[in-house]
Amino acid sequence: SAVISQKPSRDICQRGTSLTIQCQVDSQVTMMFWYRQQPGQSLTLIATANQGSEATYESGFVIDKFPISRPNLTFSTLTVSNMSPEDSSIYLCSVDSSMQSTDTQYFGPGTRLTVL
Amino acid sequence: GENVEQHPSTLSVQEGDSAVIKCTYSDSASNYFPWYKQELGKGPQLIIDIRSNVGEKKDQRIAVTLNKTAKHFSLHITETQPEDSAVYFCAASTGGYQKVTFGTGTKLQVIP
Repeated sequence: SAVISQKPSRDICQRGTSLTIQCQVDSQVTMMFWYRQQPGQSLTLIATANQGSEATYESGFVIDKFPISRPNLTFSTLTVSNMSPEDSSIYLCSVDSSMQSTDTQYFGPGTRLTVL
Repeated sequence: GENVEQHPSTLSVQEGDSAVIKCTYSDSASNYFPWYKQELGKGPQLIIDIRSNVGEKKDQRIAVTLNKTAKHFSLHITETQPEDSAVYFCAASTGGYQKVTFGTGTKLQVIP
């Protein structure tokens, strides 16, 4: 399985600021995904990061709030913009398991965000 | 869209006993069912998965069963150990890069 790292691992931010989270994979992957996990809750897909094209957002998530970049097959960023306390969550990056079409997703360690 | 329900939300067992977590899904087109274990402060880790052409899969102390007719699948952990304590998530997908929908999670506590 791919080795996934995220930076930062945690951060405490002020209301109204923005934070960019990085996701790095040790091998090329076709699909990268960004999830949000609110405290004590399940995982909710924010968007799919497509290499070479715009990200595909799920209902309830918009590009202005969560801009995503995917410059190559091993790296993606998620920005949480104009943050409010409701954005306090764990943000998780996941990837598919190989360059071939597959269903298996592997997750990074997550970024724990607290907004004051 | 797909809806995945998971029960129970919390489960406490004595060390050495078995634990069973059950999930149901709504989309009959779903054909891939992974299970993830999430320890405190970590990302979810894939522990086992099953595809619709298989009714049961086992990996050491962990097994998963699938009933496509009833649209439910279950995780079975035998001879539980304290290190099995974590939150477990079931999920369902129609495959081929399609969206994976997660259950609500089960917090498993194994009491030594």
